[in-house]
Amino acid sequence: DAGVIQSPRHEVTEMGQEVTLRCKPISGHNSLFWYRQTMMRGLELLIYFNNNVPIDDSGMPEDRFSAKMPNASFSTLKIQPSEPRDSAVYFCASSQTRDRGIYGYTFGSGTRLTVV
Amino acid sequence: DAKTTQPNSMESNEEEPVHLPCNHSTISGTDYIHWYRQLPSQGPEYVIHGLTSNVNNRMASLAIAEDRKSSTLILHRATLRDAAVYYCILRDFNSGGSNYKLTFGKGTLLTVNP
Repeated sequence: DAGVIQSPRHEVTEMGQEVTLRCKPISGHNSLFWYRQTMMRGLELLIYFNNNVPIDDSGMPEDRFSAKMPNASFSTLKIQPSEPRDSAVYFCASSQTRDRGIYGYTFGSGTRLTVV
Repeated sequence: DAKTTQPNSMESNEEEPVHLPCNHSTISGTDYIHWYRQLPSQGPEYVIHGLTSNVNNRMASLAIAEDRKSSTLILHRATLRDAAVYYCILRDFNSGGSNYKLTFGKGTLLTVNP
């Protein structure tokens, strides 16, 4: 199993540009989570999907952020337009989730985004 | 979500046991205790979880107090590779699809001295 795969590993972009981060979850996992990590705020949950449906997007900072999961094997997180304060490491995680079931999350290696 | 309290940092020596504490005095009866760790420049990784009884796996042991208001993650022989931030997280297993999320606090930064 290749684990959760994120791309790109590093992204440097200019303020105002559109940025798209990609995630391939582990096959068979039915939940997918996007987190953002900064020194100041730590790990923050942005949005999560269950069976490809967004369940909770209350952590999405503003309308510039959007996330999609068109199928069980792919998700994107898009920032348009990007701003310097969006600079962070973005992690994707997946898990198998069932009611009353407890399974661990598997995280990807993250995308380090720098907006200049 | 019920809150957890962990020390900001701890130090240990290589090949010695490490006991990482976590207080969760407001834990509910349906909260599982999860531990994750994050090594430098990596994403968090699952370590262990438990409900009431002590748990062991290849990575660590989890000791849960009888009243469940606190727990301790035990690394039996610390190595340099165990230097990481360790997160103690509570998650309600009975909340269904609306609450599969894990909320991370600041965790404990473990330094392992050679």
